[in-house]
Amino acid sequence: GAVVSQHPSRVICKSGTSVKIECRSLDFQATTMFWYRQFPKQSLMLMATSNEGSKATYEQGVEKDKFLINHASLTLSTLTVTSAHPEDSSFYICSASPAGVYNEQFFGPGTRLTVL
Amino acid sequence: GDSVTQMEGPVTLSEEAFLTINCTYTATGYPSLFWYVQYPGEGLQLLLKATKADDKGSNKGFEATYRKETTSFHLEKGSVQVSDSAVYFCALSDHQGNDKIIFGKGTRLHILP
Repeated sequence: GAVVSQHPSRVICKSGTSVKIECRSLDFQATTMFWYRQFPKQSLMLMATSNEGSKATYEQGVEKDKFLINHASLTLSTLTVTSAHPEDSSFYICSASPAGVYNEQFFGPGTRLTVL
Repeated sequence: GDSVTQMEGPVTLSEEAFLTINCTYTATGYPSLFWYVQYPGEGLQLLLKATKADDKGSNKGFEATYRKETTSFHLEKGSVQVSDSAVYFCALSDHQGNDKIIFGKGTRLHILP
């Protein structure tokens, strides 16, 4: 089946530093990747949609300068949390839609970010 | 806009009990409907889906039927196991061209041995 990986699975950083999270589709090409944020005991909040080779589309209320998304290839998208603060601590999950497949997303295992 | 409403948890059941988690949706178009499951510390896994009215999605003993007349997609299982303990998310995709998925708030399920 379609597998999506995320790296790292867990990261702890100091306030003010930047953190990069990678999302990879391991056995398929993904024209579209999605980044979600999940707060404790809550649902997933879509942050942005990224299409390979173009700028990401951010949801309302998500700071594009703080959450930098790059989708440079059909198998890799990165989310960089810039100048992280404790309130950015969360569980970040990516998903990927296979090229040519309609209405299907495969989710990564998530990355737990803790900002001290 | 489109939305998904599901019953709040946590839901606590004994092993072998019957499970129902209610889900209703609001959509302007004709969405596809999904149930995702999230086990502790993990990402989401697609449990089942249905793409048109009266379709029944099923997997691992779970079932849900797409009811357009009641805009519902309730999740059921006849006999739950301890290993079914997880958070269950009802979701829809509104076919607006970007495959965006809208999730419910999730229902935490605890199964007691």
